[in-house]
Amino acid sequence: GQQVMQIPQYQHVQEGEDFTTYCNSSTTLSNIQWYKQRPGGHPVFLIQLVKSGEVKKQKRLTFQFGEAKKNSSLHITATQTTDVGTYFCAGPSGYSTLTFGKGTMLLVSP
Amino acid sequence: DVKVTQSSRYLVKRTGEKVFLECVQDMDHENMFWYRQDPGLGLRLIYFSYDVKMKEKGDIPEGYSVSREKKERFSLILESASTNQTSMYLCASSFIGVVGNQPQHFGDGTRLSIL
Repeated sequence: GQQVMQIPQYQHVQEGEDFTTYCNSSTTLSNIQWYKQRPGGHPVFLIQLVKSGEVKKQKRLTFQFGEAKKNSSLHITATQTTDVGTYFCAGPSGYSTLTFGKGTMLLVSP
Repeated sequence: DVKVTQSSRYLVKRTGEKVFLECVQDMDHENMFWYRQDPGLGLRLIYFSYDVKMKEKGDIPEGYSVSREKKERFSLILESASTNQTSMYLCASSFIGVVGNQPQHFGDGTRLSIL
């Protein structure tokens, strides 16, 4: 079945540093979604990208969808302690279902 | 705001017991999902349902069954609990939508321990 690979598994940064997580698929994706899960919390939907080469911004977060629609990235500029959590990408595995990457855990030290 | 409510935050059961995990959503979503989340393995789909009384197997359905008698409620059943089913269980829901893969809304999760 479809696999969505996410790297790195874990990253520890100092507050103010930038952070990037990458998501790669073996197949072309019709769309990709990103979720954030705070420690002790549940995944929360952040954004969906649909178009080839699409770039979307949410304040300090920048999401990109690759030209070939096989990869995506999430970049956080000047991290803050509130950014701590695990970031998941997810690609479609059916009309309604998603395959989630294993996530990148971000730790931010003040 | 979408609310997905799972019946228990923490649950401890014994090997061999039949275990029921309940999930209710209040947004009239057609789709409902059950995942388990384990360290290093991410979120894995157990079962999902796109309508009342309809169910589809996910990636890891073995040892589980589901029930959807009402649109707002989706139950996960561990027929005979085993220690390898100790995990965090997450319920989610979404609209079907004209375009597929609508965003999923998750409950707070049930941390289940099987002793």
